[in-house]
Amino acid sequence: GQNIDQPTEMTATEGAIVQINCTYQTSGFNGLFWYQQHAGEAPTFLSYNVLDGLEEKGRFSSFLSRSKGYSYLLLKELQMKDSASYLCAGMDSNYQLIWGAGTKLIIKP
Amino acid sequence: IAGITQAPTSQILAAGRRMTLRCTQDMRHNAMYWYRQDLGLGLRLIHYSNTAGTTGKGEVPDGYSVSRANTDDFPLTLASAVPSQTSVYFCASRRDRGETGELFFGEGSRLTVL
Repeated sequence: GQNIDQPTEMTATEGAIVQINCTYQTSGFNGLFWYQQHAGEAPTFLSYNVLDGLEEKGRFSSFLSRSKGYSYLLLKELQMKDSASYLCAGMDSNYQLIWGAGTKLIIKP
Repeated sequence: IAGITQAPTSQILAAGRRMTLRCTQDMRHNAMYWYRQDLGLGLRLIHYSNTAGTTGKGEVPDGYSVSRANTDDFPLTLASAVPSQTSVYFCASRRDRGETGELFFGEGSRLTVL
């Protein structure tokens, strides 16, 4: 079956670094997405990885290991506005997205 | 402003009533999707449409129907609402089914069935 696993909740301190892990199992693989979702709002796109390695975009970076079925999202210099849920989604061979339940990130001052 | 518009934003509905959630996009995207989001669960695909005139069933289609008469509109209908359909519904789109690009979301419709 298809499955995406990520931690339910994480807590970090303002100014610090946090890594949110995601493991995936999909029927075929066409890439791994990360979305950010603030409470009561729609998800917004953060990153897409299809090749192994690290993609950096400002304070956010995303890593993929296809052989391990593993990805992580790295957030640096955390700000209070980064408090949100982070959704991991794998794209299967039919180009459908399989979503994890999301990781709620709580930032403390 | 280009994007996806959903209506209504929020609705309380009596069980057994019929309800249509509207979704319109002005990006000329071919592929459109309806998801529901429930606490503790990932986004679950209800129905999708790869292009105007075609629709398909997702993971949780029972109790829902869709139509795609044109490129812009993709309404979701609950023929006879039940309390288990209480959820937040998101419409989404991307340029084409086989594209690995960004999926754009509407602001969501919060539906409560009593």
